[in-house]
Amino acid sequence: AQRVTQPEKLLSVFKGAPVELKCNYSYSGSPELFWYVQYSRQRLQLLLRHISRESIKGFTADLNKGETSFHLKKPFAQEEDSAMYYCALSGQGNTPLVFGKGTRLSVIA
Amino acid sequence: DVKVTQSSRYLVKRTGEKVFLECVQDMDHENMFWYRQDPGLGLRLIYFSYDVKMKEKGDIPEGYSVSREKKERFSLILESASTNQTSMYLCASGSGMETQYFGPGTRLLVL
Repeated sequence: AQRVTQPEKLLSVFKGAPVELKCNYSYSGSPELFWYVQYSRQRLQLLLRHISRESIKGFTADLNKGETSFHLKKPFAQEEDSAMYYCALSGQGNTPLVFGKGTRLSVIA
Repeated sequence: DVKVTQSSRYLVKRTGEKVFLECVQDMDHENMFWYRQDPGLGLRLIYFSYDVKMKEKGDIPEGYSVSREKKERFSLILESASTNQTSMYLCASGSGMETQYFGPGTRLLVL
């Protein structure tokens, strides 16, 4: 079964501190992993996907198949990073995304 | 810019009422999705559709039905609203199953 686990419901960090939002997955095949973000009063949107291997708004995420993880990282948190973050997995075939329960990031000035 | 619109931002309904939530996308996407978003539970898939008149159950279809008569429109129907269906409902669309474009959400309160 496909499963995505985000162990932290809430993560609070100070501005300028490093951020790591954890995501672990369970899937027997080769997954595609994504991070979606929802800022206050905005719609949910794609932040990044692992196959792109890109940095968006200073965030990066590396797929670690050995640890079945896809943690989201940023070296220096900004207040505007405060949002709800969801990790998501896409398995093979025509199956919808499986989302984690989300982590609310709060960056304190 | 992809546009996914939902018919209402806020709705208040009474227990037992039939409720229609409408979603329209303008990017000719094959796939459309309905989720509910609840604190601590994340996004849960209710139904999805990969073609006109086609539908598939998601993780929590009970108490809901859907309709897709046209490619751009995907409706969620609560046949008889109950208080435990009070939630934020998100519609999404995508050309594949991976990257999804979300609507602004409809916050439904069932009294």
